[in-house]
Amino acid sequence: GAVVSQHPSWVICKSGTSVKIECRSLDFQATTMFWYRQFPKQSLMLMATSNEGSKATYEQGVEKDKFLINHASLTLSTLTVTSAHPEDSSFYICSAPRGGGSSGANVLTFGAGSRLTVL
Amino acid sequence: QKEVEQNSGPLSVPEGAIASLNCTYSDRGSQSFFWYRQYSGKSPELIMSIYSNGDKEDGRFTAQLNKASQYVSLLIRDSQPSDSATYLCAVSQPGGGSNYKLTFGKGTLLTVNP
Repeated sequence: GAVVSQHPSWVICKSGTSVKIECRSLDFQATTMFWYRQFPKQSLMLMATSNEGSKATYEQGVEKDKFLINHASLTLSTLTVTSAHPEDSSFYICSAPRGGGSSGANVLTFGAGSRLTVL
Repeated sequence: QKEVEQNSGPLSVPEGAIASLNCTYSDRGSQSFFWYRQYSGKSPELIMSIYSNGDKEDGRFTAQLNKASQYVSLLIRDSQPSDSATYLCAVSQPGGGSNYKLTFGKGTLLTVNP
């Protein structure tokens, strides 16, 4: 089945540093990947859509200069949290659509998530 | 603003009972509906997808969709303690190909008591 690998699974960093999270589709190609963020006891909130070979599309309220997204190949998207602060501490999850739903709809496969703690 | 509403729970049912999870959505143009299960500290995993009005059954799970009422539900028969998790309702808009986005509800916490 479709597998999305996300790394690292958890990271602790000091305030002001940058953290990179990788998301790979292992057995399929993904021209589009989605980055979500989830705070404790909250739902998943879409941050941005990563597009292979072009700029990411950010959701309203998400700072594109703070959350840098690169989708350089059909199997890899990266999210870099720049100058991280404690309020950026969250669970970051990537996902990629994998064909298989009926009516031509794709189904999202999620990575295992990356828990970021900024001290 | 597209919204997906769920009762946050917790919903507590005894082992072997039927658990009923409900979800409403605001955008009448929504066409694809999903139920995800999320264990604490883990990422979501797909339980069911449904695209047409009516019922869809898969093992112990049944998804029900009523587009006129903008309502989608998930029934879990013969609930097991291992079903204890947060269940997320997700709705997508048609976007063509792989370029669609999901809007998630806040989830309903289900606890199945042995």
